[in-house]
Amino acid sequence: GQNIDQPTEMTATEGAIVQINCTYQTSGFNGLFWYQQHAGEAPTFLSYNVLDGLEEKGRFSSFLSRSKGYSYLLLKELQMKDSASYLCAVKDSNYQLIWGAGTKLIIKP
Amino acid sequence: GAVVSQHPSWVICKSGTSVKIECRSLDFQATTMFWYRQFPKQSLMLMATSNEGSKATYEQGVEKDKFLINHASLTLSTLTVTSAHPEDSSFYICSASWDSGSQPQHFGDGTRLSIL
Repeated sequence: GQNIDQPTEMTATEGAIVQINCTYQTSGFNGLFWYQQHAGEAPTFLSYNVLDGLEEKGRFSSFLSRSKGYSYLLLKELQMKDSASYLCAVKDSNYQLIWGAGTKLIIKP
Repeated sequence: GAVVSQHPSWVICKSGTSVKIECRSLDFQATTMFWYRQFPKQSLMLMATSNEGSKATYEQGVEKDKFLINHASLTLSTLTVTSAHPEDSSFYICSASWDSGSQPQHFGDGTRLSIL
């Protein structure tokens, strides 16, 4: 079966750095996506990785290792507004998007 | 870029009513649109995938006659919840992509449906 694992919940302090991990087992791979979802709102697209390595976008970076079936989302200089759920999703060989259950990130002052 | 508009944002109606939700891609042509449902504190659940001009592909367990999807143009898809009941109350979210390959899905703001 296809599976995406990410921690259910994480807590971090304002101004700090946090890394949210995602491991996946899918039939084929056509890219990995990270989305941010604030409570009661729809997801917003954050990043896309298809090749191994680090993609940086301002305070957010996403890393991919295809051989390990592993990705992480790194958030720097955390702000209170970063409190949200972070969803990892992978496109399989049929370009079907397989969603993780999301990681709820709680930022404390 | 990649703006998706969903309307209405909130719907409250009586049991037995049919409700139509619209999803529009404002600045790109969406060859593929997706409809999701999300219950409180739960994951996104894909209901169906629709390609412009063809019938939607429904996920297992989603009733086609209950959730009617129309994708008549490259910028508009509609979801109609027919004869809605309280158990259909949920957060419905559409997303769109300009290809069915490696491009990301871009989401509308969602529709909160409450059936009394």
